[in-house]
Amino acid sequence: DARVTQTPRHKVTEMGQEVTMRCQPILGHNTVFWYRQTMMQGLELLAYFRNRAPLDDSGMPKDRFSAEMPDATLATLKIQPSEPRDSAVYFCASGRGSSTDTQYFGPGTRLTVL
Amino acid sequence: KNEVEQSPQNLTAQEGEFITINCSYSVGISALHWLQQHPGGGIVSLFMLSSGKKKHGRLIATINIQEKHSSLHITASHPRDSAVYICAVRGAGGTSYGKLTFGQGTILTVHP
Repeated sequence: DARVTQTPRHKVTEMGQEVTMRCQPILGHNTVFWYRQTMMQGLELLAYFRNRAPLDDSGMPKDRFSAEMPDATLATLKIQPSEPRDSAVYFCASGRGSSTDTQYFGPGTRLTVL
Repeated sequence: KNEVEQSPQNLTAQEGEFITINCSYSVGISALHWLQQHPGGGIVSLFMLSSGKKKHGRLIATINIQEKHSSLHITASHPRDSAVYICAVRGAGGTSYGKLTFGQGTILTVHP
């Protein structure tokens, strides 16, 4: 049963530290999305890749966040330096990229920045 | 005004009741998704539709493109249906293509 995997599932860190979250999309999927969910804002798109190229990262704070796809099986989201307001659940999703395709969500990384 | 508005925000029902959750959007879209998020936090895609109606078990989703409105119906509701239901619209073109914009979610609680 193919699924999106994310690591770590939980991360607690101190303000100012670097945080790296990883996502393995479903094999054969060519689009990858990073979302953030908070109680106040709900779900928001942070970044979006197709065929490993970034298509839209307008939802991401540029000064501290970066998203990359080193290869087709790995997407990373980094925060440096982290701040308490970054505390949220970060979801990765993947899809085939066609107009009729759904997105498959990973279990999320729950980040707490103290 | 948010691009995607859901109503109601909270919904409580008795087991067996028919439930409707509404979603209105203000932008051009290529598709609309209904997502379910259980208390454990995992998100599951229930439906993706761009026209008409889809049915899966006790769940029915409809969309009216002209009116920019979609509904999710649950027939014979059950306590295990208790979850947050999220409407999301997929951008229509250009750099918005594929990008999902989310509603705030509807918290559904079904009592036995």
